[in-house]
Amino acid sequence: DAKTTQPNSMESNEEEPVHLPCNHSTISGTDYIHWYRQLPSQGPEYVIHGLTSNVNNRMASLAIAEDRKSSTLILHRATLRDAAVYYCILSRANSGYALNFGKGTSLLVTP
Amino acid sequence: ETGVTQTPRHLVMGMTNKKSLKCEQHLGHNAMYWYKQSAKKPLELMFVYSLEERVENNSVPSRFSPECPNSSHLFLHLHTLQPEDSALYLCASSQSGLNTQYFGPGTRLTVL
Repeated sequence: DAKTTQPNSMESNEEEPVHLPCNHSTISGTDYIHWYRQLPSQGPEYVIHGLTSNVNNRMASLAIAEDRKSSTLILHRATLRDAAVYYCILSRANSGYALNFGKGTSLLVTP
Repeated sequence: ETGVTQTPRHLVMGMTNKKSLKCEQHLGHNAMYWYKQSAKKPLELMFVYSLEERVENNSVPSRFSPECPNSSHLFLHLHTLQPEDSALYLCASSQSGLNTQYFGPGTRLTVL
């Protein structure tokens, strides 16, 4: 399986934008890029996913590099409730059911 | 009730006890999963059921026994567990063929 690399931790001020990076240099053409987050004492929560084009939803935006070797999850205005571990995961369509969660990025949001 | 629910939320059991974890999904999905999350470790996939058939079993010890009686319910039967089995057990569901999974809040299990 293609691997992702994320920083262990990041810190942001409340109401500032946050850019969470993910490197996936061995990504294949059929791998989707998924982002999940896990708030303290909760199960993981789906955030967004994309293949080639940038994606927006009510939670976040996903910017995908042209060569697809990296992507960035963008939280436009961080709130204290966005403090969580964010996971970047590659998932190949119709290849099975596993989502390989790594260690993710622990985001700290300060007032 | 919406989404994925799990009961109990917390469970303390001795090594000789038998207990069961329950998961229910209200999303109309046809695939369900059990994951284990130990302290300071990534989530580990344990079992996958699709259309009520087990499709993956990731080398999980036999003291963990899953059951999927229908597409909305998933159980994890526990017996003669070890203290190192203490962890957060998470249930998830998805629609087969799509990789977006929806998770429950988890059961925090402590084995004494």
